[in-house]
Amino acid sequence: DADVTQTPRNRITKTGKRIMLECSQTKGHDRMYWYRQDPGLGLQLIYYSFDVKDINKGEISDGYSVSRQAQAKFSLSLESAIPNQTALYFCATSESSGGYNEQFFGPGTRLTVL
Amino acid sequence: QKEVEQNSGPLSVPEGAIASLNCTYSDRVSQSFFWYRQYSGKSPELIMSIYSNGDKEDGRFTAQLNKASQYVSLLIRDSQPSDSATYLCAVDPGNQFYFGTGTSLTVIP
Repeated sequence: DADVTQTPRNRITKTGKRIMLECSQTKGHDRMYWYRQDPGLGLQLIYYSFDVKDINKGEISDGYSVSRQAQAKFSLSLESAIPNQTALYFCATSESSGGYNEQFFGPGTRLTVL
Repeated sequence: QKEVEQNSGPLSVPEGAIASLNCTYSDRVSQSFFWYRQYSGKSPELIMSIYSNGDKEDGRFTAQLNKASQYVSLLIRDSQPSDSATYLCAVDPGNQFYFGTGTSLTVIP
């Protein structure tokens, strides 16, 4: 079984709809991240969480919110989806012990907002 | 100025050749550096991490770090068609990663 899973893998929605993307991990890592990837723009950090009670905004948090329901679960919500939020979304995890912070990615969710 | 800059490519090399990928970064306090490989439509896969100046080798991959020049590179020896992918450089100045836009590599059989 994959260490980091994301659901759904693909989603098509309409402008104005609320949508939630979910991420679960079995790696036992304490840190979790949400990124979006657009062609030519690389990976951009949306939100990150270092533990259940610690949530931080990334570079592009406007229009997004997150919830860290447990150490293993981190959800991303688009409160009112708009077409320019069409992108590939990745969840990642890392552990704080050891100091190296290597991040491991889930398979991604392809989101299309019409 | 972007935090992390990479040559966007595309870079093409013949099978068996050495592929050289370069990355520069702007934050001098960065201590951790990573190379990820990403196949089209797939998630990034960590292939190398480096934390000290010098070279680090892992199989056909060698990462090189020069903190004074704020430069990190990835060499792929004996390139194979399966190495054809986009390679992402990531830099960690403390609490979060900054990614470059990636270099597209094609290995020609």
